[in-house]
Amino acid sequence: AQKVTQAQTEISVVEKEDVTLDCVYETRDTTYYLFWYKQPPSGELVFLIRRNSFDEQNEISGRYSWNFQKSTSSFNFTITASQVVDSAVYFCALSEAGGNAGNMLTFGGGTRLMVKP
Amino acid sequence: DTGVSQNPRHKITKRGQNVTFRCDPISEHNRLYWYRQTLGQGPEFLTYFQNEAQLEKSRLLSDRFSAERPKGSFSTLEIQRTEQGDSAMYLCASSYREKYEQYFGPGTRLTVT
Repeated sequence: AQKVTQAQTEISVVEKEDVTLDCVYETRDTTYYLFWYKQPPSGELVFLIRRNSFDEQNEISGRYSWNFQKSTSSFNFTITASQVVDSAVYFCALSEAGGNAGNMLTFGGGTRLMVKP
Repeated sequence: DTGVSQNPRHKITKRGQNVTFRCDPISEHNRLYWYRQTLGQGPEFLTYFQNEAQLEKSRLLSDRFSAERPKGSFSTLEIQRTEQGDSAMYLCASSYREKYEQYFGPGTRLTVT
């Protein structure tokens, strides 16, 4: 069975600090996909990134970067120079390529990030 | 291209009543998913459609829940004889094909009194 763990339930930082959100996953599949979503106070989940299990290259998009390490089953998310608008709940998610559930997403419990001015 | 839309955004109902939610996916997305999210938790998978076929249902989906996607376009999720435990945010998502990212709608918040 697949599982995603986000051990940090809440993180508080001051604006301009860097912050890393941890994500650890479990799966028996060799082919799988990892995702990060942002859920701002408005409630709508916003897609941030998708990474497949064969691509371990780290990715950077503006102030966001992702570190995928298969050896430790982790897919961590770093925000550089955080801003107040980054305040939200961030979810890591996993989908397996096999099985019948059509790439359903299994979400972690989320990390609430609060960025104070 | 408009995003995923859901109606209503909020629904308050009394225990025992039936409710129906609607989801309109992004056009040309052949996969549609329903999730449920309770306060402080991540979304949990309920069911998904490929075109008009419902291909998988979670154990969370009791027999009081039914979902349809006629003609492979919009989808409805009906809950019969609502219970207080059904209070949650019901999220709909769509994706272009399998293995692609899912885009979520704003959700329908259900409160059962």
